[in-house]
Amino acid sequence: DAKTTQPNSMESNEEEPVHLPCNHSTISGTDYIHWYRQLPSQGPEYVIHGLTSNVNNRMASLAIAEDRKSSTLILHRATLRDAAVYYCILRYRGFSGNTPLVFGKGTRLSVIA
Amino acid sequence: DSGVTQTPKHLITATGQRVTLRCSPRSGDLSVYWYQQSLDQGLQFLIQYYNGEERAKGNILERFSAQQFPDLHSELNLSSLELGDSALYFCASSGVAGGEQYFGPGTRLTVT
Repeated sequence: DAKTTQPNSMESNEEEPVHLPCNHSTISGTDYIHWYRQLPSQGPEYVIHGLTSNVNNRMASLAIAEDRKSSTLILHRATLRDAAVYYCILRYRGFSGNTPLVFGKGTRLSVIA
Repeated sequence: DSGVTQTPKHLITATGQRVTLRCSPRSGDLSVYWYQQSLDQGLQFLIQYYNGEERAKGNILERFSAQQFPDLHSELNLSSLELGDSALYFCASSGVAGGEQYFGPGTRLTVT
């Protein structure tokens, strides 16, 4: 699996936007960009994923660079509940997409009230 | 609530023992994945089953084994336990078309 690089930690003030960067310079054309997060004492949870175009859902937005070598997860208004470790994962979609996730170290996001 | 259940929530056992962790996937999900999370290794993929058959293997030790039953629940068996096996073990499931994985709350294993 292609590798991703994320900052170890980031800090944000509550109710402000947060931009979490991810570099994936060796991404291949069949790799989807997935984001998961892990809240304290919980299992990881899916946040968002995309291939080439920017994506929005109720949790976040995903901005993908034109060359696909980097992406940014955007939380529009951080809340205390968003404090978690955020993982950027490249995932080969292939035929069925039923492939395991390869987790890196992720970015630990702290939200300050 | 992800819809994935894992039992037990906590398990404390001694070195050399054998334990079984159980996972029930979301209704209708055919794929089950097992992951191990330890402080030094982070989250690591162990093994995947799809509709009862092994689909992929990760960094799973020979002392560990798993299976998926006809009702799609899965069990992870850990034997000859060592102190280093102490970790959180997560199960995840996904549907026929793949896509996102849904994780259970995990089983915390402590080997003393």
